[in-house]
Amino acid sequence: GNSVTQMEGPVTLSEEAFLTINCTYTATGYPSLFWYVQYPGEGLQLLLKATKADDKGSNKGFEATYRKETTSFHLEKGSVQVSDSAVYFCAPRSEAGGTSYGKLTFGQGTILTVHP
Amino acid sequence: GAGVSQSPRYKVAKRGQDVALRCDPISGHVSLFWYQQALGQGPEFLTYFQNEAQLDKSGLPSDRFFAERPEGSVSTLKIQRTQQEDSAVYLCASSLDRGLEEQYFGPGTRLTVT
Repeated sequence: GNSVTQMEGPVTLSEEAFLTINCTYTATGYPSLFWYVQYPGEGLQLLLKATKADDKGSNKGFEATYRKETTSFHLEKGSVQVSDSAVYFCAPRSEAGGTSYGKLTFGQGTILTVHP
Repeated sequence: GAGVSQSPRYKVAKRGQDVALRCDPISGHVSLFWYQQALGQGPEFLTYFQNEAQLDKSGLPSDRFFAERPEGSVSTLKIQRTQQEDSAVYLCASSLDRGLEEQYFGPGTRLTVT
């Protein structure tokens, strides 16, 4: 099955700082890769995704590139805001044929706190 | 357009009690997933339904856990004889098709076993 190693937190940054959260994975086949975000008091939300090698997912200023050669999907943002404070989860999803149904395998999560 | 809803939002159970957690997926969504999220951890897969068929229950931690979705919409996760290690947030997610579309998550049910 799939597994994920995600950068340990918590990560504390000042507003407008650069953010990187590392994620590496092991998976069978060619998974799609996702970043989910959990804001305080809210449910999990999809942040961005990439479905094949070299694809770049982006949303709300966040980006992540599917690196098949290094099995990585690091999350980056050039200038974080206080409102980005949340828990971030990396999650591969296997795309096996036939009975595929999209089970997600989540990392342990990285807590990000951004101070004004 | 309502999202995925779950009830109750919070549940406190004494060890040994049975509990039932409900998930109302987005109307028309074929796929439904249950995940368990322990404190400080990422969600872990429990089980998957495609309509009313339970196609994968490999993540259920013991035979005390049982899930059903009899009419292909609402799902119930039942835990019998709860134990302290069952304390977690239980998340439900649904997606439009066979799970290859985006999964939309509910707010979760926080279960505390005392």
